Amino acid sequence: DIQMTQSPSTLSASVGDRVTITCRASQSISSWLAWYQQKPGKAPKLLIYKASSLESGVPSRFSGSGSGTEFTLTISSLQPDDFAAYYCQHYNSYPATFGQGTKVEIK
Amino acid sequence: QVQLVESGGGVVQPGRSLRLSCAASGFTFSDFGMHWVRQAPGKGLEWVAGIWFDGSNKYYVDSVKGRFTISRDNSKNTLYLQMSTLRADDTGVYYCARPYGGNAVFDYWGQGTLVTVSS
Repeated sequence: DIQMTQSPSTLSASVGDRVTITCRASQSISSWLAWYQQKPGKAPKLLIYKASSLESGVPSRFSGSGSGTEFTLTISSLQPDDFAAYYCQHYNSYPATFGQGTKVEIK
Repeated sequence: QVQLVESGGGVVQPGRSLRLSCAASGFTFSDFGMHWVRQAPGKGLEWVAGIWFDGSNKYYVDSVKGRFTISRDNSKNTLYLQMSTLRADDTGVYYCARPYGGNAVFDYWGQGTLVTVSS
């Protein structure tokens, strides 16, 4: 099975900051990677698919990059609505595993 | 609009069984594979199982193989997860999710149903 490792686990940042979250796969997954945002008590929301494609309706301050085994999610200017947990997920093969998550907190 | 509504969660003793349902609407259910994803309290997301649009292929995470069965009834627009020999570590919120295209990336999720395995 492919393991996904996210870093950091927690990130403290201020409104307006540029934020970067990293996700590493234990083997190459090409560009078969998605990013989700989850707020407490809510279902996850798809942000990015195929490593860098922005889901419809998602603000352009979110962007994704990478291929193979190393990927990043960047929020160019953190907004109050962005304080949440973020998960990467590969879908190269089954099981489609998630990273352990990154919680973005208010500094 | 796409809606996924899970039901069937509750408190169950270890070793017992439970069946979850996910009622789908707002799209042609029989055109899409479907999946279950769970989240233990305070923990991350875990993909559990997936099924092809016609039910011909099914996939499971190792920890539930032999205990959980995913199925669907396209005439009722409903996805199921039959869970047996439940364990404490099966406790969590179970989401059904619709994939984007033919891949296991999920653009629509239900609200989740809580399963608590406890004596």
